[in-house]
Amino acid sequence: QVQLVESGGGLVKPGGSLRLSCVGSGFTLGDYFMSWIRQAPGKGLEWVSYITSSGSSAFYTDSVKGRFTISRDNAKNSLYLQMNSLRAEDGAVYFCARLGPGGTRWFHPWGQGTLVTVSS
Amino acid sequence: EIVMTQSPATLSVSPGGRATLSCRASQSISSNLAWYQQKPDQAPRLLIYDASTRATGIPARFSGSGSGTEFTLTIGSLQSEDFAVYYCQQYNNWPTFGPGTKVEI
Repeated sequence: QVQLVESGGGLVKPGGSLRLSCVGSGFTLGDYFMSWIRQAPGKGLEWVSYITSSGSSAFYTDSVKGRFTISRDNAKNSLYLQMNSLRAEDGAVYFCARLGPGGTRWFHPWGQGTLVTVSS
Repeated sequence: EIVMTQSPATLSVSPGGRATLSCRASQSISSNLAWYQQKPDQAPRLLIYDASTRATGIPARFSGSGSGTEFTLTIGSLQSEDFAVYYCQQYNNWPTFGPGTKVEI
């Protein structure tokens, strides 16, 4: 079945960097736009970034522009999020998710998430 | 940014009862609205997209309605597995989510 599995989360100091990965199975990741969405502990959902199927275009929420970079390797059925200059407020569970057909910006399915903690 | 609001924040319903959740957008989003269910320590699950289209495998007791700025998710005859937090999300512009409605017993 269609599945997404994230990895790469962990504890990082403010100002540090982390790279998240998401591997898809049960479908051809290269056929879909893909996204990262985060959820701070006990809080709601916040869209972070999405990338077109070819990787030619990427979009970000304002709070991460210039610090985060989304990328993909369709040959490896993989999605990435490079996070630099991390701040305490970036601490969250990060979910990868597939966008709807044609890049429609609803999300299905979601991975199980990976936790990023930013603390000194 | 389009701001999404949801009401009520918490809804207490008995098993077998009916739940009506509201979602409002700060400006018109046509029918570009999705609903998700999230249980503790789980990822969100898509229930509804395009305001009223059920996602694959979603039971018929879940229904969505509305357009423009006012939307409703109705859960008929609540089952034990339906007690969760429900989020609406608009995709008329950059995606934004509502703060959620917790459906509890």
